[in-house]
Amino acid sequence: KAGVTQTPRYLIKTRGQQVTLSCSPISGHRSVSWYQQTPGQGLQFLFEYFSETQRNKGNFPGRFSGRQFSNSRSEMNVSTLELGDSALYLCASSLAGGAPGEQYFGPGTRLTVT
Amino acid sequence: QQQVKQSPQSLIVQKGGISIINCAYENTAFDYFPWYQQFPGKGPALLIAIRPDVSEKKEGRFTISFNKSAKQFSLHIMDSQPGDSATYFCAASKGSNYKLTFGKGTLLTVNP
Repeated sequence: KAGVTQTPRYLIKTRGQQVTLSCSPISGHRSVSWYQQTPGQGLQFLFEYFSETQRNKGNFPGRFSGRQFSNSRSEMNVSTLELGDSALYLCASSLAGGAPGEQYFGPGTRLTVT
Repeated sequence: QQQVKQSPQSLIVQKGGISIINCAYENTAFDYFPWYQQFPGKGPALLIAIRPDVSEKKEGRFTISFNKSAKQFSLHIMDSQPGDSATYFCAASKGSNYKLTFGKGTLLTVNP
């Protein structure tokens, strides 16, 4: 079974631009979560989607948004990029009804904002 | 407010030794505690997890010890190998909430 895939793997953007990241979960997984990983703050939860609905949201500004499609694929969008948004963005998928901690992470998208 | 505190930040162990990483949590509503392993350039991978009704769980060379009264849990890696060199994260979640709260991570280096 294929793992979680994320595209693109690397991205360089300029401050003020917006960016869209994509995540394809493991086949059959219906929950998709997004995390931001930085050296200073570590892994921080952004939001979780299930059946095209946002179920949980972390403490990030409204510039960070996401959505999920009927095939469980998910996208996250960051508008008006700031230098501090440079990070590794990780997507994780889970079986609906599975243990919350049993999340399977993709390799991440490395976003650099200049 | 850091809800899950992890120590040490880095750890160097000789091959064959025991690696011990500790975590402490504040929120007593947490009821699921997974550990993740992350290699450079990869996403975190689930290693082992425990619920508060169990004091210890073992899977191969990896053991979680859980102390509910102290709100602490730890990961023990027995017979550590150079291939175990990675960053380890403890995490916690509550109920059916899929939000994981992570510790800051421990960089483990196992010398041959």
